[in-house]
Amino acid sequence: GAVVSQHPSRVICKSGTSVKIECRSLDFQATTMFWYRQFPKQSLMLMATSNEGSKATYEQGVEKDKFLINHASLTLSTLTVTSAHPEDSSFYICSAAGLRSYNEQFFGPGTRLTVL
Amino acid sequence: DAKTTQPPSMDCAEGRAANLPCNHSTISGNEYVYWYRQIHSQGPQYIIHGLKNNETNEMASLIITEDRKSSTLILPHATLRDTAVYYCIVPRNQFYFGTGTSLTVIP
Repeated sequence: GAVVSQHPSRVICKSGTSVKIECRSLDFQATTMFWYRQFPKQSLMLMATSNEGSKATYEQGVEKDKFLINHASLTLSTLTVTSAHPEDSSFYICSAAGLRSYNEQFFGPGTRLTVL
Repeated sequence: DAKTTQPPSMDCAEGRAANLPCNHSTISGNEYVYWYRQIHSQGPQYIIHGLKNNETNEMASLIITEDRKSSTLILPHATLRDTAVYYCIVPRNQFYFGTGTSLTVIP
Protein backbone atom coordinates (compact mmCIF):
# COMPACT_ATOMS: atom_id res chain seq x y z
CA GLY A 1 0.00 0.00 0.00
CA ALA A 2 0.88 3.67 -0.13
CA VAL A 3 3.11 5.18 2.53
CA VAL A 4 2.33 8.36 4.44
CA SER A 5 4.80 9.81 6.91
CA GLN A 6 4.45 12.39 9.65
CA HIS A 7 7.06 14.47 11.37
CA PRO A 8 7.67 14.78 14.21
CA SER A 9 6.31 11.65 15.84
CA ARG A 10 6.31 13.32 19.24
CA VAL A 11 6.59 16.92 20.31
CA ILE A 12 6.47 18.65 23.65
CA CYS A 13 6.08 22.39 23.74
CA LYS A 14 5.36 25.19 26.15
CA SER A 15 1.99 26.84 26.35
CA GLY A 16 1.70 29.76 23.96
CA THR A 17 4.14 28.47 21.36
CA SER A 18 3.30 27.20 17.88
CA VAL A 19 3.98 23.74 16.58
CA LYS A 20 4.16 22.58 12.97
CA ILE A 21 3.40 19.00 11.95
CA GLU A 22 4.28 17.74 8.49
CA CYS A 23 2.45 15.06 6.53
CA ARG A 24 4.00 13.57 3.40
CA SER A 25 2.77 11.02 0.91
CA LEU A 26 5.98 9.24 -0.03
CA ASP A 27 5.09 7.24 -3.10
CA PHE A 28 2.03 8.81 -4.64
CA GLN A 29 0.54 12.19 -5.36
CA ALA A 30 -2.26 12.93 -2.96
CA THR A 31 -5.02 15.05 -4.37
CA THR A 32 -6.53 15.43 -0.94
CA MET A 33 -5.15 15.27 2.57
CA PHE A 34 -7.08 15.06 5.80
CA TRP A 35 -6.22 15.97 9.37
CA TYR A 36 -7.66 14.17 12.38
CA ARG A 37 -7.33 14.54 16.13
CA GLN A 38 -7.72 11.76 18.65
CA PHE A 39 -8.04 12.19 22.39
CA PRO A 40 -7.29 9.28 24.76
CA LYS A 41 -9.81 6.45 24.57
CA GLN A 42 -11.77 8.26 21.87
CA SER A 43 -12.19 7.78 18.16
CA LEU A 44 -10.57 9.86 15.45
CA MET A 45 -12.25 13.20 14.79
CA LEU A 46 -11.92 14.80 11.39
CA MET A 47 -10.57 18.34 11.71
CA ALA A 48 -10.17 19.48 8.13
CA THR A 49 -9.87 18.47 4.50
CA SER A 50 -7.31 20.08 2.26
CA ASN A 51 -6.75 20.00 -1.47
CA GLU A 52 -3.48 21.02 -3.03
CA GLY A 53 -3.33 24.69 -3.81
CA SER A 54 -6.62 25.64 -2.19
CA LYS A 55 -7.85 26.58 1.25
CA ALA A 56 -8.70 23.84 3.68
CA THR A 57 -12.26 23.05 4.62
CA TYR A 58 -12.66 22.87 8.37
CA GLU A 59 -15.17 20.80 10.29
CA GLN A 60 -17.66 22.57 12.49
CA GLY A 61 -16.13 23.60 15.78
CA VAL A 62 -12.53 23.56 14.55
CA GLU A 63 -10.90 26.99 14.71
CA LYS A 64 -9.25 27.75 11.40
CA ASP A 65 -7.11 30.50 12.88
CA LYS A 66 -5.75 28.16 15.51
CA PHE A 67 -5.13 25.15 13.29
CA LEU A 68 -3.46 26.46 10.16
CA ILE A 69 -3.29 24.03 7.28
CA ASN A 70 -1.09 24.48 4.25
CA HIS A 71 -1.17 22.08 1.32
CA ALA A 72 1.48 23.46 -0.97
CA SER A 73 2.16 20.38 -3.06
CA LEU A 74 0.66 17.03 -3.95
CA THR A 75 2.94 15.30 -1.46
CA LEU A 76 3.06 17.67 1.50
CA SER A 77 0.55 19.14 3.91
CA THR A 78 1.34 20.92 7.17
CA LEU A 79 -0.73 21.55 10.26
CA THR A 80 0.37 24.38 12.54
CA VAL A 81 -1.13 24.55 15.99
CA THR A 82 -0.81 28.21 16.92
CA SER A 83 -0.58 29.46 20.49
CA ALA A 84 -0.89 25.94 21.80
CA HIS A 85 -2.51 25.30 25.16
CA PRO A 86 -2.64 22.16 27.30
CA GLU A 87 -6.11 21.31 25.97
CA ASP A 88 -4.57 21.02 22.50
CA SER A 89 -2.54 18.05 23.70
CA SER A 90 -3.66 15.17 21.54
CA PHE A 91 -2.71 12.63 18.90
CA TYR A 92 -2.80 14.28 15.48
CA ILE A 93 -3.10 12.01 12.44
CA CYS A 94 -3.04 12.88 8.77
CA SER A 95 -4.20 10.86 5.81
CA ALA A 96 -3.79 11.14 2.07
CA ALA A 97 -6.12 10.13 -0.71
CA GLY A 98 -5.88 9.95 -4.46
CA LEU A 99 -3.81 6.88 -5.23
CA ARG A 100 -6.79 4.92 -6.47
CA SER A 101 -9.85 6.78 -5.35
CA TYR A 102 -10.86 9.80 -3.34
CA ASN A 103 -12.38 7.61 -0.66
CA GLU A 104 -9.39 5.36 -0.06
CA GLN A 105 -7.28 7.04 2.55
CA PHE A 106 -3.80 6.11 3.71
CA PHE A 107 -2.93 7.23 7.19
CA GLY A 108 0.26 8.52 8.70
CA PRO A 109 1.62 7.13 11.97
CA GLY A 110 0.42 10.12 13.97
CA THR A 111 2.06 12.86 16.02
CA ARG A 112 1.73 12.99 19.78
CA LEU A 113 1.56 16.61 20.92
CA THR A 114 1.98 17.48 24.58
CA VAL A 115 1.57 21.10 25.62
CA LEU A 116 2.96 21.94 29.04
CA ASP B 1 -20.83 9.05 5.93
CA ALA B 2 -23.61 6.56 6.10
CA LYS B 3 -24.07 5.67 9.76
CA THR B 4 -22.47 2.42 10.83
CA THR B 5 -23.06 0.36 13.95
CA GLN B 6 -20.51 -2.03 15.42
CA PRO B 7 -20.33 -3.95 18.69
CA PRO B 8 -18.01 -2.13 21.10
CA SER B 9 -15.82 -5.09 21.89
CA MET B 10 -15.11 -8.71 21.02
CA ASP B 11 -12.72 -11.42 22.09
CA CYS B 12 -11.25 -14.10 19.88
CA ALA B 13 -8.99 -17.03 20.63
CA GLU B 14 -5.62 -16.99 18.92
CA GLY B 15 -5.69 -19.07 15.75
CA ARG B 16 -9.44 -18.93 15.40
CA ALA B 17 -11.38 -16.83 12.93
CA ALA B 18 -12.49 -13.41 14.09
CA ASN B 19 -15.80 -12.28 12.63
CA LEU B 20 -16.50 -8.58 13.07
CA PRO B 21 -19.99 -7.39 12.10
CA CYS B 22 -21.06 -3.97 10.90
CA ASN B 23 -24.51 -2.62 10.23
CA HIS B 24 -24.85 0.07 7.56
CA SER B 25 -28.53 0.03 6.75
CA THR B 26 -28.56 3.53 5.21
CA ILE B 27 -25.91 2.75 2.61
CA SER B 28 -26.64 3.97 -0.92
CA GLY B 29 -26.30 1.95 -4.07
CA ASN B 30 -22.87 3.20 -5.16
CA GLU B 31 -21.23 3.55 -1.76
CA TYR B 32 -18.37 1.34 -0.71
CA VAL B 33 -17.73 -0.21 2.69
CA TYR B 34 -14.21 0.31 4.03
CA TRP B 35 -12.54 -1.41 6.94
CA TYR B 36 -9.58 -0.01 8.83
CA ARG B 37 -7.95 -0.94 12.08
CA GLN B 38 -5.98 1.03 14.61
CA ILE B 39 -3.42 -0.55 16.84
CA HIS B 40 -2.79 1.42 19.99
CA SER B 41 -1.04 4.77 19.40
CA GLN B 42 -0.64 4.22 15.67
CA GLY B 43 -2.40 5.59 12.61
CA PRO B 44 -5.27 3.56 11.14
CA GLN B 45 -4.31 0.80 8.73
CA TYR B 46 -6.34 0.01 5.63
CA ILE B 47 -7.65 -3.56 5.58
CA ILE B 48 -10.14 -4.03 2.78
CA HIS B 49 -13.08 -2.46 0.99
CA GLY B 50 -15.98 -3.64 -1.15
CA LEU B 51 -19.12 -2.61 -2.96
CA LYS B 52 -21.38 -5.63 -3.18
CA ASN B 53 -19.29 -8.67 -3.98
CA ASN B 54 -17.33 -10.49 -1.33
CA GLU B 55 -13.69 -9.52 -1.28
CA THR B 56 -10.55 -11.22 -0.03
CA ASN B 57 -6.99 -10.07 0.30
CA GLU B 58 -3.93 -11.15 2.22
CA MET B 59 -5.24 -9.65 5.43
CA ALA B 60 -8.93 -10.46 5.54
CA SER B 61 -12.18 -11.31 3.83
CA LEU B 62 -15.18 -9.04 3.56
CA ILE B 63 -18.65 -10.50 3.29
CA ILE B 64 -21.40 -8.07 2.27
CA THR B 65 -25.03 -9.14 2.51
CA GLU B 66 -27.11 -9.14 -0.63
CA ASP B 67 -29.13 -6.13 0.50
CA ARG B 68 -25.82 -4.41 1.42
CA LYS B 69 -27.18 -3.33 4.77
CA SER B 70 -24.52 -5.14 6.72
CA SER B 71 -21.12 -6.69 6.32
CA THR B 72 -18.69 -8.90 8.20
CA LEU B 73 -14.93 -8.63 8.29
CA ILE B 74 -13.26 -11.99 8.74
CA LEU B 75 -9.72 -12.45 10.00
CA PRO B 76 -9.27 -16.15 9.20
CA HIS B 77 -6.58 -17.00 11.74
CA ALA B 78 -6.35 -14.29 14.37
CA THR B 79 -2.99 -13.61 15.98
CA LEU B 80 -2.07 -11.52 19.01
CA ARG B 81 -0.95 -8.77 16.64
CA ASP B 82 -4.53 -8.45 15.37
CA THR B 83 -5.58 -6.94 18.69
CA ALA B 84 -6.81 -3.50 17.66
CA VAL B 85 -9.84 -1.30 17.19
CA TYR B 86 -11.59 -2.11 13.91
CA TYR B 87 -13.58 0.55 12.10
CA CYS B 88 -16.22 0.02 9.46
CA ILE B 89 -16.75 3.16 7.38
CA VAL B 90 -19.06 4.09 4.53
CA PRO B 91 -17.55 7.36 3.34
CA ARG B 92 -19.29 10.21 1.61
CA ASN B 93 -16.22 12.23 0.61
CA GLN B 94 -14.92 12.23 4.17
CA PHE B 95 -14.32 9.57 6.79
CA TYR B 96 -16.19 9.92 10.03
CA PHE B 97 -14.96 7.34 12.47
CA GLY B 98 -17.44 5.76 14.83
CA THR B 99 -16.40 4.01 17.99
CA GLY B 100 -15.42 0.80 16.21
CA THR B 101 -14.98 -2.67 17.68
CA SER B 102 -12.14 -3.30 20.08
CA LEU B 103 -10.94 -6.80 19.24
CA THR B 104 -8.83 -8.62 21.79
CA VAL B 105 -7.10 -11.78 20.64
CA ILE B 106 -6.55 -14.08 23.57
CA PRO B 107 -3.63 -16.52 23.74
